[in-house]
Amino acid sequence: GNSVTQMEGPVTLSEEAFLTINCTYTATGYPSLFWYVQYPGEGLQLLLKATKADDKGSNKGFEATYRKETTSFHLEKGSVQVSDSAVYFCALSDRSDYKLSFGAGTTVTVRA
Amino acid sequence: NAGVTQTPKFRVLKTGQSMTLLCAQDMNHEYMYWYRQDPGMGLRLIHYSVGEGTTAKGEVPDGYNVSRLKKQNFLLGLESAAPSQTSVYFCASSYWAGQLSPNYGYTFGSGTRLTVV
Repeated sequence: GNSVTQMEGPVTLSEEAFLTINCTYTATGYPSLFWYVQYPGEGLQLLLKATKADDKGSNKGFEATYRKETTSFHLEKGSVQVSDSAVYFCALSDRSDYKLSFGAGTTVTVRA
Repeated sequence: NAGVTQTPKFRVLKTGQSMTLLCAQDMNHEYMYWYRQDPGMGLRLIHYSVGEGTTAKGEVPDGYNVSRLKKQNFLLGLESAAPSQTSVYFCASSYWAGQLSPNYGYTFGSGTRLTVV
């Protein structure tokens, strides 16, 4: 079956620091990969996605590259802000399916 | 704003009580989902629907029932609440345009925090 493994948190950073959140996956087919973000008290929002190998998804300064050889989709941001404090979820969906499988989530706190 | 609306936002139940969570979307999405979010476990799919009048079990369906009588609404019911059902519940909807479509993605509601005592 499909599964997603994220690095455990919580992660605490200072403003302008570099952020990496590791995500690896197991899938029976050829999945699409996603990063969702959940700000305090809100639902999840799509941050970025990639649908094929070597694709790079990007949004709001965040990037992630679909690496089929390492089955990974690590999230990166070069300079975080306090407003980036949130829970980040890696997710995947098989092309033959419309259901998303989520990782456990990583809580990121950015301090001024 | 268009999107997914969940009611109620908070609820405390006693063990054995029943309740229904309502999810409404105004985007004409075919697909709707109920997830529960628990610390360290991410989101787990409870039930989902691929269209009006259809429902299917997800990863953790036990203790829950659902109905999709109207395309825009997806109801989640707890017939006899248990403390293990204390969680945050999220509803989501999606438009199936194919995963390679730039429009593919889920829209989530803001959640219902349920405590069963």
